[in-house]
Amino acid sequence: EIVLTQSPGTLSLSPGERATLSCRASQSVSASYVAWYQQKPGQAPRLLIYGASSRATGIPDRFSGSGSGTDFTLTISRLEPEDFAVYYCQQQYGSSLFGQGTKLEIK
Amino acid sequence: QVQLQESGPGLVKPSETLSLTCAVSGYSISSGYYWGWIRQPPGKGLEWIGSIYHSGTTYYNPSLKSRVTISVDTSQNQFSLNLSSVTAADTAVYYCVKVRSGDYRDAFHIWGQGTMVTVSS
Repeated sequence: EIVLTQSPGTLSLSPGERATLSCRASQSVSASYVAWYQQKPGQAPRLLIYGASSRATGIPDRFSGSGSGTDFTLTISRLEPEDFAVYYCQQQYGSSLFGQGTKLEIK
Repeated sequence: QVQLQESGPGLVKPSETLSLTCAVSGYSISSGYYWGWIRQPPGKGLEWIGSIYHSGTTYYNPSLKSRVTISVDTSQNQFSLNLSSVTAADTAVYYCVKVRSGDYRDAFHIWGQGTMVTVSS
């Protein structure tokens, strides 16, 4: 059974800084089926990245995804106030699985 | 644009069956794509429940498979979730979703607003 581990659990940064969020799988997965979501309190998650590195419709270019094999990264180049939220990675390997989430909070 | 709206009871008794429906607007389910259900217990992360194609082909989370049935009604342009023998652990916000492409393994790119279901006597 694959396990997805996101790190850090909480990331404290200031607007304008760069955020790097990690998602590690316990075994190699296809990058074609790795996605990242943003969730704000009281809202449904929003798709940011699919296929490990493709931005979803309407997502600003400050969001980027990368990775392969077992290690995947979501990078936010310059944090805007609206970017502070919880981020989840997801992979589809037979069964769809989400990481436990990274909370990005204002420092 | 495609919109999804969940509906169903907000309170279900233990051991009973949780039943939810997702109404789809802006797109005909019979035209293709996979559709699914995801849940989120209060204060916790996301759990995929299962996905269905317009033809009725389904994929379920192995941990829930024995209790889950997802069905599609193309005439009503909606799909449904039945989860049997519920316990308090099934208390969660339930989201219906649309898969981004015709590949069930693709990302979930459209989400309903979610509906809270509490399991309690």
